This record gives sequence, C-alpha cells and structure tokens, in this order.
Amino acid sequence: IAGITQAPTSQILAAGRRMTLRCTQDMRHNAMYWYRQDLGLGLRLIHYSNTAGTTGKGEVPDGYSVSRANTDDFPLTLASAVPSQTSVYFCASSLSGAADTQYFGPGTRLTVL
Amino acid sequence: GQNIDQPTEMTATEGAIVQINCTYQTSGFNGLFWYQQHAGEAPTFLSYNVLDGLEEKGRFSSFLSRSKGYSYLLLKELQMKDSASYLCAVADSNYQLIWGAGTKLIIKP
Repeated sequence: IAGITQAPTSQILAAGRRMTLRCTQDMRHNAMYWYRQDLGLGLRLIHYSNTAGTTGKGEVPDGYSVSRANTDDFPLTLASAVPSQTSVYFCASSLSGAADTQYFGPGTRLTVL
Repeated sequence: GQNIDQPTEMTATEGAIVQINCTYQTSGFNGLFWYQQHAGEAPTFLSYNVLDGLEEKGRFSSFLSRSKGYSYLLLKELQMKDSASYLCAVADSNYQLIWGAGTKLIIKP
C-alpha cells in the first residue's frame, strides 16, 4: 500500500441498504477525513478524526457514521442509503488536524437507486 | 456563513498565462490551499499560503491578500496537461477546510 486506498472503486446500491466505504492509509497520519463531491458544489466534509479513537462531525454528517479504531483505517457507513447520497466520496488524511496538507484517496463513486 | 467564490470555467491557450481568482469569507483564517483535480481523479496539492504575498513553485504561483480575502493561482507556460479543475480551500478557525466549487480550466492548442 502506498498512500491512501479506498474500496470499492464504484458501487450501485438499492435505497435502504447498508453500505460501508473503506479507507486505509499507510502514511501514519493522525488525521483523516471523509468528503463528498457533487457537481457544482465544493467538497463537503462529512466526518473527520483528528486521532485514533476520536471522531467529529463535519458540514453534512446526517445519514453517515464513522469509526477510528486504529491509525490506518477510517470506514464510512451509510446505515440506510437514500438517492441523495449518490455522490463521489473521497477519503483524505493529513499529518495532524491543523492546517496540514491533506492527501486524497482515489475516491468511491456511489449510486443509490 | 462561510463562502468561497471562484469562476466556474476559464479557457486559455497553450503556452499562455492564466490567473484563477478566489475570494473568501470564513470564520477565521488558518491558511489557503490550492489543489488540482483532473477529471475522474482525486485532488492533488499545489500550494499553501498563510502570509500575504506571492509563493512561486515552478510554473505555478499563488498569491494571498488576507485583508482583501483574496487569492489567485497563476499558471505560466500552459501545457495541455494543465487542463483540470483548480480548487481553492480555506482553513477556518477550527482548521476545517472550506472548499470552493472549483474552476474548470480548458486549454486550447
């Protein structure tokens, strides 16, 4: 592994289903983030974690949950998917939760029907 | 509320110079980032400004004026591979990044 990986690359999901997007980094970064990117809008922060064992809510947290059991992994769960959650999801990490450069994973394209 | 404004789309010619502007209104300021994002790919870091002035990095330069809430990204000697979206983001008082919608730059031969 080099950098940040995300899985799956893309997914089509029926509304109401549960889905977990995976994110793993090998840079030993303390902070990790989940964003969604929609056409015409900037990246919007869903949840973040400044260090293992802690998480926080971003701008658009409703319908999503996260956990940070260790430094490397930061999964994002949609408990019951809705069509408005159709988006491209990016995971990112930075050395700390301050204004450090964020490095992005390749993204997961999710379609909820 | 917090707001980042940048033009939706710009067109420039290969070999020329282009300036992409970004204005911001945020609760606090802990620096401004520029990222490049090619279609279908992840954003990649270009520059970071926290003090007023110009930061030069090869063909790319970024300028910041905190008093005016303004930044620009200057791209020189444009190449076809520079066709991408350019994202402006500001770290607010909580160090969370507030992102603009991005400027799609089209380079014509």
